[in-house]
Amino acid sequence: NAGVTQTPKFRILKIGQSMTLQCAQDMNHNYMYWYRQDPGMGLKLIYYSVGAGITDKGEVPNGYNVSRSTTEDFPLRLELAAPSQTSVYFCASSSPQGVVTGELFFGEGSRLTVL
Amino acid sequence: QKEVEQNSGPLSVPEGAIASLNCTYSDRGSQSFFWYRQYSGKSPELIMSIYSNGDKEDGRFTAQLNKASQYVSLLIRDSQPSDSATYLCAVNILNTGNQFYFGTGTSLTVIP
Repeated sequence: NAGVTQTPKFRILKIGQSMTLQCAQDMNHNYMYWYRQDPGMGLKLIYYSVGAGITDKGEVPNGYNVSRSTTEDFPLRLELAAPSQTSVYFCASSSPQGVVTGELFFGEGSRLTVL
Repeated sequence: QKEVEQNSGPLSVPEGAIASLNCTYSDRGSQSFFWYRQYSGKSPELIMSIYSNGDKEDGRFTAQLNKASQYVSLLIRDSQPSDSATYLCAVNILNTGNQFYFGTGTSLTVIP
């Protein structure tokens, strides 16, 4: 039972490079979220999606883009990486019932360093 | 701005004591409230949810909600070293596409 799978787990980027963080879930969840967590801090919502073809901005969307072409996949694109984007990125998913009960399923996180 | 504030700690309590974690939120549209636990280097995991005013108990954990004061707390009784983690308060604002907003977290250390 895979749950939420994030790749890569670790990545080092140079300033100005671009990359895509992959997120896939196999639970047929409608809701998917991308968060970033800076050291010693909580989670900040970057983008979220309520279903295939529907995405919307969260608290800190600048410098990122997402797409949701299928229910399973929710990739996060970083354009022109900056040191301020050094963080741990978590993808999460939930069902319509889960968003009421708070049951977010998190991936293991992707640790990104921009030098 | 949908803010969730927590006392950042760190909080240290001796084993067997009660740990008290506090959270305030700014958006009165917040309808559901959650506590997540996050061990170092791991993903957050849900430990408590609360939706209505009052107390909700689950084993050694008690969540308290006061919507008038926009305040939610978590009490951990008989604290154990295994409770040492960061505790994240989260709110779900249902009329905004079910966005979950998290606080900055409170680091708890239970000293044996």
